[in-house]
Amino acid sequence: GDSVTQMEGPVTLSEEAFLTINCTYTATGYPSLFWYVQYPGEGLQLLLKATKADDKGSNKGFEATYRKETTSFHLEKGSVQVSDSAVYFCAGGGGSQGNLIFGKGTKLSVKP
Amino acid sequence: GAVVSQHPSRVICKSGTSVKIECRSLDFQATTMFWYRQFPKQSLMLMATSNEGSKATYEQGVEKDKFLINHASLTLSTLTVTSAHPEDSSFYICSAYSGGAWEQFFGPGTRLTVL
Repeated sequence: GDSVTQMEGPVTLSEEAFLTINCTYTATGYPSLFWYVQYPGEGLQLLLKATKADDKGSNKGFEATYRKETTSFHLEKGSVQVSDSAVYFCAGGGGSQGNLIFGKGTKLSVKP
Repeated sequence: GAVVSQHPSRVICKSGTSVKIECRSLDFQATTMFWYRQFPKQSLMLMATSNEGSKATYEQGVEKDKFLINHASLTLSTLTVTSAHPEDSSFYICSAYSGGAWEQFFGPGTRLTVL
């Protein structure tokens, strides 16, 4: 069945460091792919998305490119801030009713 | 746009009581709503999928008689935790889907604590 595999955390970085969180997916077709972010005590917010191969999603300095050849959607940011500390979820659209397949989440902590 | 609210945000109840959590899509009609439970180590577990006017579809291992879901309208779904026990304490999150490209809009979550 469809699945999303996300690098496990926690990830701890210093402010202004480069961030990569890996995400790969397995699906029968080419699903839309998403990165959601969850700040402490809150629900999930959509960070960025890509709906087809080679699309690049970007928001708040974060980027991810839908790579069909490697079935990946890695999240990157060139210079993280303390305010980026959160849990990041990779997800793929895989169900007939709109249900998403989620990765297990990666907790990011950015130290000043 | 695409705002989803949940109420209450926090609830503390005694063991054996029932708790109702509401999920509303405020500015769009949701054909489908989803209920998730989030465990302490952050992983999200899909509990059930509900479509307006029909019975919810529960994931394997989720007790439908314990977690009652009602999707009465295109903007409201409710989750009732019946006869709650301490092991039901968790963070419950709903999301709404209006069709197209699988994008879901999430509510802010409800922290349930059962004493």
